[in-house]
Amino acid sequence: DAGITQSPRHKVTETGTPVTLRCHQTENHRYMYWYRQDPGHGLRLIHYSYGVKDTDKGEVSDGYSVSRSKTEDFLLTLESATSSQTSVYFCAISVGQSNQPQHFGDGTRLSIL
Amino acid sequence: AQSVAQPEDQVNVAEGNPLTVKCTYSVSGNPYLFWYVQYPNRGLQFLLKYITGDNLVKGSYGFEAEFNKSQTSFHLKKPSALVSDSALYFCAVRDGGTGFQKLVFGTGTRLLVSP
Repeated sequence: DAGITQSPRHKVTETGTPVTLRCHQTENHRYMYWYRQDPGHGLRLIHYSYGVKDTDKGEVSDGYSVSRSKTEDFLLTLESATSSQTSVYFCAISVGQSNQPQHFGDGTRLSIL
Repeated sequence: AQSVAQPEDQVNVAEGNPLTVKCTYSVSGNPYLFWYVQYPNRGLQFLLKYITGDNLVKGSYGFEAEFNKSQTSFHLKKPSALVSDSALYFCAVRDGGTGFQKLVFGTGTRLLVSP
């Protein structure tokens, strides 16, 4: 295992509520990523971080924000959840970002009613 | 922009037979290619990668992949399939250029190995 913990593992919430997902790593890796997995789309990058307080947008960042105040924690926030954000969310880490593989957590299944 | 195609949603193979899961890619620079496997309710697990060098790459659990530059393919193979290989397989590519290059995933291929 790559030392990645995602919490919560499952969550059901209502449209319009704020939601925060947490990713915690014990590897001290520089790079952290948030993806969403949807049928027919594979995994799509939401946001990534290349250090404490250093974050940038991925391809599907609308409606999401992130924060990284410590090396080991990367938070994903849905400010006002919508049903289109129902998905499985994965956190990943990597030593570098070029030729190094990413290692994934076990995901958070989020349902927005 | 880079892209990945996995043309088969599902591959069926009998245990003991060889398996192939297909992947083709498109990048503007040199490709960095990866295969991952996903079991139910788990995250993706890294199987193998091609960065440079020998076109045949060996990875975990007896899997290997062949890089073919002219056909822009990176097919995953295993000589003898096991029932326990049944899972969802993802191919991914990153452009080997400078700066941040995102990892782009295919839509996945479900492998079903029958006893």
